[in-house]
Amino acid sequence: SQKIEQNSEALNIQEGKTATLTCNYTNYSPAYLQWYRQDPGRGPVFLLLIRENEKEKRKERLKVTFDTTLKQSLFHITASQPADSATYLCALGVRNAGNMLTFGGGTRLMVKP
Amino acid sequence: EPEVTQTPSHQVTQMGQEVILRCVPISNHLYFYWYRQILGQKVEFLVSFYNNEISEKSEIFDDQFSVERPDGSNFTLKIRSTKLEDSAMYFCASSDRANEKLFFGSGTQLSVL
Repeated sequence: SQKIEQNSEALNIQEGKTATLTCNYTNYSPAYLQWYRQDPGRGPVFLLLIRENEKEKRKERLKVTFDTTLKQSLFHITASQPADSATYLCALGVRNAGNMLTFGGGTRLMVKP
Repeated sequence: EPEVTQTPSHQVTQMGQEVILRCVPISNHLYFYWYRQILGQKVEFLVSFYNNEISEKSEIFDDQFSVERPDGSNFTLKIRSTKLEDSAMYFCASSDRANEKLFFGSGTQLSVL
């Protein structure tokens, strides 16, 4: 069966450190993968998109990698700040699926001052 | 910055009643979506809509659900006869191109009693 797995346990890190979040998937051949941030009671906010032929994407303090052999994406936040505390969702998109995104369960990140 | 607007923010209804959730997507976007999130669970795809027709729908989107773009700005989700299990946060989203980032609204919290 198809699965998208993110660490359901909260990730607690100290301010200034790099946070690394993992998204693993099985039985998918995604054309692209997206990362979103979700705050409590709010809608997801887009962060980064990486396509199947790309290995890495960066945007300011954010970096995402995509390994289609390992079926894994890593999401990094460098120099983390308490304001980065939120739930981070990965979402897969496949070809010819009407732009449907399939979301993982998210990982809650807590950055402590 | 343009945003997706959803109304109402909260809706309480009795089981068996019809509800209409309303959304105003970003004005130059062409692709529209509904997702939902049951408390503590994943964000789930319901339906995508392009060129005035449904392009993809999930198993959740059964005959009790329908979508409409009644004019040039609104996008609605109707649930004909609500069930207890329809209680969730419903998110509308839009995008300007296929297979690109989605812009989500803040959601409508639907409670079916």
